[in-house]
Amino acid sequence: AQSVAQPEDQVNVAEGNPLTVKCTYSVSGNPYLFWYVQYPNRGLQFLLKYITGDNLVKGSYGFEAEFNKSQTSFHLKKPSALVSDSALYFCAVNGNTDKLIFGTGTRLQVFP
Amino acid sequence: KAGVTQTPRYLIKTRGQQVTLSCSPISGHRSVSWYQQTPGQGLQFLFEYFSETQRNKGNFPGRFSGRQFSNSRSEMNVSTLELGDSALYLCASRAGGNDGYTFGSGTRLTVV
Repeated sequence: AQSVAQPEDQVNVAEGNPLTVKCTYSVSGNPYLFWYVQYPNRGLQFLLKYITGDNLVKGSYGFEAEFNKSQTSFHLKKPSALVSDSALYFCAVNGNTDKLIFGTGTRLQVFP
Repeated sequence: KAGVTQTPRYLIKTRGQQVTLSCSPISGHRSVSWYQQTPGQGLQFLFEYFSETQRNKGNFPGRFSGRQFSNSRSEMNVSTLELGDSALYLCASRAGGNDGYTFGSGTRLTVV
């Protein structure tokens, strides 16, 4: 069965510091991995995806993610956090079906 | 290019009633998926339609149904509403294949 784990309910980081939001996955076959961000009372905004190719994927708003097959991880990173990055972040996997399986979400809080 | 449009944005219904939610995908997108988001269960897949055919269905009771029209617009219906159906219902569309999903802003359903 496909699954996604986001081990941290919340991540706190000071503005200007690097941030990492963790994600591990379990899927049979080759994974398609996604990161989405959700602001209050809004839908999900697509940040980036990994399908194949380079393990380092660059996305919107300066975010990037590193695919690690041996560790089955797809951590989201940003070199310098902004207060406006504060939001709820979801990792998702799409294995051999057409449905996205989401993690439980990680709330990112960036402090000034 | 218009995004995914969901109507209505907010809805209040009484237990036992039924409700229909609407989703207009991005022009040219033939795949439409529906997700339910609740604080307790997170984001859960409801169903996916492609070219008017349901391709995938999540683990929801038969009270939850959907359909897709020839213009790719989709509706989901929930009959005999229960308090636990209160949630944010998100629709997502994609062109197909490995494309990322684009989400709408959602419909906030409150059952009283």
